[in-house]
Parts: sequence; C-alpha cells; structure tokens
Amino acid sequence: QQQVKQSPQSLIVQKGGIPIINCAYENTAFDYFPWYQQFPGKGPALLIAIRPDVSEKKEGRFTISFNKSAKQFSLHIMDSQPGDSATYFCAVNNAGNMLTFGGGTRLMVKP
Amino acid sequence: NAGVTQTPKFRVLKTGQSMTLLCAQDMNHEYMYWYRQDPGMGLRLIHYSVGEGTTAKGEVPDGYNVSRLKKQNFLLGLESAAPSQTSVYFCASSYLSAYEQFFGPGTRLTVL
Repeated sequence: QQQVKQSPQSLIVQKGGIPIINCAYENTAFDYFPWYQQFPGKGPALLIAIRPDVSEKKEGRFTISFNKSAKQFSLHIMDSQPGDSATYFCAVNNAGNMLTFGGGTRLMVKP
Repeated sequence: NAGVTQTPKFRVLKTGQSMTLLCAQDMNHEYMYWYRQDPGMGLRLIHYSVGEGTTAKGEVPDGYNVSRLKKQNFLLGLESAAPSQTSVYFCASSYLSAYEQFFGPGTRLTVL
C-alpha cells in the first residue's frame, strides 16, 4: 500500500515569508502530483498539480518542485499572505485511479 | 451547477445505530470517492466507484458499505455505528483522473 509522508505538521510564518511543505512517497505513482488546500469547515480544493515529466510548476505565488528519482515533491508559497492560512495536503495517484493523501500541514501566516 | 453536495451536514448517532450518507454530483463525473478525515491523519479513502453500478474498497473500508445505483449519487452506509467512526466524512468526484477531485462540504458525524 502506498505511503505518503508530509512535513512539517504545522508551520507558522510571517506575512511575506516563503513556507515550504514537503511530501515523500514510497511506491510507484501515476499521473499528476497534486496539492490540495483546505480552509476550516470546507472541503479540500485542488490548488496546483505537476506532471511527472517536469521538475517545476508555477501558478501565481504557488510553486511545486518535483524530484522523481527521490520520490519527493514540495510546495512553496511565495510572498505568503494571511489569506493563505489553511491546511495543505499532498497526494499521490495510485494504480486504480485513487489518491493517497499525506497527513496535512496546518499553515498560519501572521500579519 | 451545485457541484458536489452532501446530506446531512451534521449527525449524532448512538453506538449500534445505522445511517446513510448521501453524496450527489451534477458534473457527470465517472469517479466518486468517500473519505474520512481525522486530526493528524489526513484524508483516508473508505470506498470508491469508477462508474455507475461499480464499487471498490479503499484504505479503511471496514464497517462501511456503499452503493452507486445512479451515476450522480454515491451512498455511504454505516451498518452498526461505533465511536471509532466519529469523524468528518467527505465525498469527492472526478471526471477522468483521480488527481483532480472535487470535494463536497463534508458531514460531521459523532457516535456516542
């Protein structure tokens, strides 16, 4: 069964800082590698995803870095804002078209 | 276009009671999923469906059953609720690939 390890569990940064969240997986994975964002009381929503044949994907202030050989990928948030305070989940796509999620990172951006 | 909706939003059960959670999507998605979310454990897949009339077990299926009689609906049943099933339950759907899932607002279930 796929194992996905996400770190850190929680993170506090000042406004304008660059939080980095890491994700590592163990077994073969397929398709895109996504990050989801979840606000309190809401369901998760897809934030950004990267194809397995590229090493970096940037959308606005959010960047995914991907190291396929190391089976690791990370999320960077540039110029972080208080509105980015949320829980972030990485996920890995397994055979059978299902995701295994990391344990989540609770991010707080202080004004 | 409501997206993914879940009914009910909150529920309190006593140990041993049964209930059904309803998920509905209006995006004509083939794939539907049920997850539970517990503090520090992320989202764990309970059961999923790759099309009308099909279901499959996920990571934590014990104590739950599902049915997908219509493409737009995915039902999650608890046969005999236990306190360990206290959790927030999320339904999700996707069109072709699992990486892009659309989640409902969740159902908070408490089993006493």
